[in-house]
Amino acid sequence: AQKVTQAQTEISVVEKEDVTLDCVYETRDTTYYLFWYKQPPSGELVFLIRRNSFDEQNEISGRYSWNFQKSTSSFNFTITASQVVDSAVYFCALSEGFGGATNKLIFGTGTLLAVQP
Amino acid sequence: DGGITQSPKYLFRKEGQNVTLSCEQNLNHDAMYWYRQDPGQGLRLIYYSQIVNDFQKGDIAEGYSVSREKKESFPLTVTSAQKNPTAFYLCASSDGWSNNEQFFGPGTRLTVL
Repeated sequence: AQKVTQAQTEISVVEKEDVTLDCVYETRDTTYYLFWYKQPPSGELVFLIRRNSFDEQNEISGRYSWNFQKSTSSFNFTITASQVVDSAVYFCALSEGFGGATNKLIFGTGTLLAVQP
Repeated sequence: DGGITQSPKYLFRKEGQNVTLSCEQNLNHDAMYWYRQDPGQGLRLIYYSQIVNDFQKGDIAEGYSVSREKKESFPLTVTSAQKNPTAFYLCASSDGWSNNEQFFGPGTRLTVL
């Protein structure tokens, strides 16, 4: 069965610290997609990144970076030099299959990140 | 601006009443979704629709109903059969044929008194 585990319920850091949010997934499919979303206090989910199972290359976007490791079924997210505006709940999600009509996302329970000034 | 709108932002209803949550998108997306979020939990899929006049049950469809008469609209009705309807409801849409990311609306917080 598909499952996404975000073991860190809450993380608190001081501004400018680096922080890594963990995501571990389970799937029997060989083709799948992984996502990260940010949910600020306003409630709307903001898309951050999508990665497919054939692309293990790490990605960096500004202060954000993602480490995808199929060997450990992990897709971790690092924020470098955190800022107060990074405070939010972050969700990792999994989508199986390729193309077609099924694009259902399985979400983890989220990690609440609090960045203190 | 393209996006997804949900109305209202906050909704209060008495127990036993049906209530309909609105979701409209102007992104020209084929697929639309409804999720429920409870405190400290992730999002759980209620219903989804890949094309007009077609929709499928998600993981927690009991007590909910939907319709998809127009491409841009996917309203969700929370019926009196839903045992615990108080929650945050999020609507999303996607170009549903290539595992593209889903775009979310601002959500509706429903409180049943």
